[in-house]
Amino acid sequence: EIVMTQFPDNLSVSPGERASLSCRASQSVSSHLAWYRQKPGQPPRLLIYGASTRTTGVPARFSGSGSGTQFTLTITSLQSEDFGVYFCHQYDTWPEDTFGGGTKVEIK
Amino acid sequence: QVQLVQSGAEVKKPGSSVKLSCKASGGTLSSNAINWVRQAPGHGLQWMGRIIPSYGVAHYAQKFQGRITITADRSTGTAFVELNRLTSEDTAMYYCATPNLGSRHFDYWGQGTLLTVSS
Repeated sequence: EIVMTQFPDNLSVSPGERASLSCRASQSVSSHLAWYRQKPGQPPRLLIYGASTRTTGVPARFSGSGSGTQFTLTITSLQSEDFGVYFCHQYDTWPEDTFGGGTKVEIK
Repeated sequence: QVQLVQSGAEVKKPGSSVKLSCKASGGTLSSNAINWVRQAPGHGLQWMGRIIPSYGVAHYAQKFQGRITITADRSTGTAFVELNRLTSEDTAMYYCATPNLGSRHFDYWGQGTLLTVSS
């Protein structure tokens, strides 16, 4: 099983500032990496897939980078609605997918 | 637009079984995998397994092997997950999720079903 490790666990960022979230895989997952955000009481929402492709409707302030074992989700100019828990998800291995433990982003 | 609608909350006793459902509408559902993901209170996401309804073959996470069964009814566009020998550690929100055709990331999610296991 590929283990996905996210850091930091918590991130407190002021509106307008930049947030960088990291996700590391225990072995290469190529670019088969997605990012989701989950708000309280809601299911996760897809933001990024293929490590760097924004899904429809996701603002351009969200960008994903990386390949292999190291990935980053960057939110430039954080907005108040960007709070939530962000999860990475590897779908390289078959049949078993794995998720990271999440990074909680709060607005300072 | 794909919509996934899950069955209602369940309360079960330890040692019992539960079967949850996820009804899909929109899109070419029979060719898309329906995945099951759970989230224990205050914890992260855990992939449990998937089924591609048109093939009828399910795959499971090793952690659940032997006590999970995922099935699908193509005629109603509904997927099911059955979990046996429940313990308090199975208390969680259970989500179904599916990608767009040809993808594996999860574009669409159900609203979730809360399972509480308590004596």
